[in-house]
Amino acid sequence: AQTVTQSQPEMSVQEAETVTLSCTYDTSESNYYLFWYKQPPSRQMILVIRQEAYKQQNATENRFSVNFQKAAKSFSLKISDSQLGDTAMYFCALGGTYKYIFGTGTRLKVLA
Amino acid sequence: DAGVIQSPRHEVTEMGQEVTLRCKPISGHDYLFWYRQTMMRGLELLIYFNNNVPIDDSGMPEDRFSAKMPNASFSTLKIQPSEPRDSAVYFCASSPRGNEQFFGPGTRLTVL
Repeated sequence: AQTVTQSQPEMSVQEAETVTLSCTYDTSESNYYLFWYKQPPSRQMILVIRQEAYKQQNATENRFSVNFQKAAKSFSLKISDSQLGDTAMYFCALGGTYKYIFGTGTRLKVLA
Repeated sequence: DAGVIQSPRHEVTEMGQEVTLRCKPISGHDYLFWYRQTMMRGLELLIYFNNNVPIDDSGMPEDRFSAKMPNASFSTLKIQPSEPRDSAVYFCASSPRGNEQFFGPGTRLTVL
C-alpha cells in the first residue's frame, strides 16, 4: 500500500527566515512523482513543486526547493525567505499510476 | 487559459435533497478527478476518469454518490439523497497525463 506521512501538524516561522517541512512516503512502484501543494485560506489547491522519482537532482522553484532522498523515502520542502503569503496548509502528495495519495498536511504560519 | 472551473462555489441544502456539483476541466486534459476534503479524513479521491470513462470509483463512499462525464469538457458529481455527513469541500482536478493534477477552487457543501 502507498502511504504519505507528514509528522508536523503545525509549524511557524518568522518572516524572511527559512523553514523545512517534512514528508516521508512508501510505495512499491518504481516510477512515481512527488508533489507539494499549498492550500491557503481561500481553499485553492496550488501546486508548489514536483519531483520525478527517476531524477536525482532536487527540484527548485524560486524560493521553494526540495530535498529528495529516494533511498530513505523522504521528500522535504524548504521555503527560503518566508513571506506572509506563504501562510497556508501544505500537503505532500505521492503520484503513482494516476492516483494521488495525500499526506494529512502541515499548517504553516509565517509571523511578521 | 482558464483553470479548472467548478460550480457552485457554495451549496447549502437540506438532508434528503439531491445535490449536483459541476466541473469543467482544463481543455486538452484527458484525466479528471473528484476529491472530497474533510477535517476528519483529509483529502480523499472519490473517482477518476480517463477520456470520459470512469476508471476507478473505489473511493465513492456509497451508492448515494454518482459521477458522470458525458464529454471532455464537463463532469458532474451527484449526491442523492444528501446527508449531513456529506458536508465537505469537493474538489475537481484535471491532468494532461495523469500525474500532475490541477485543482479547481472547490465547492463547499453544507447539508443541514
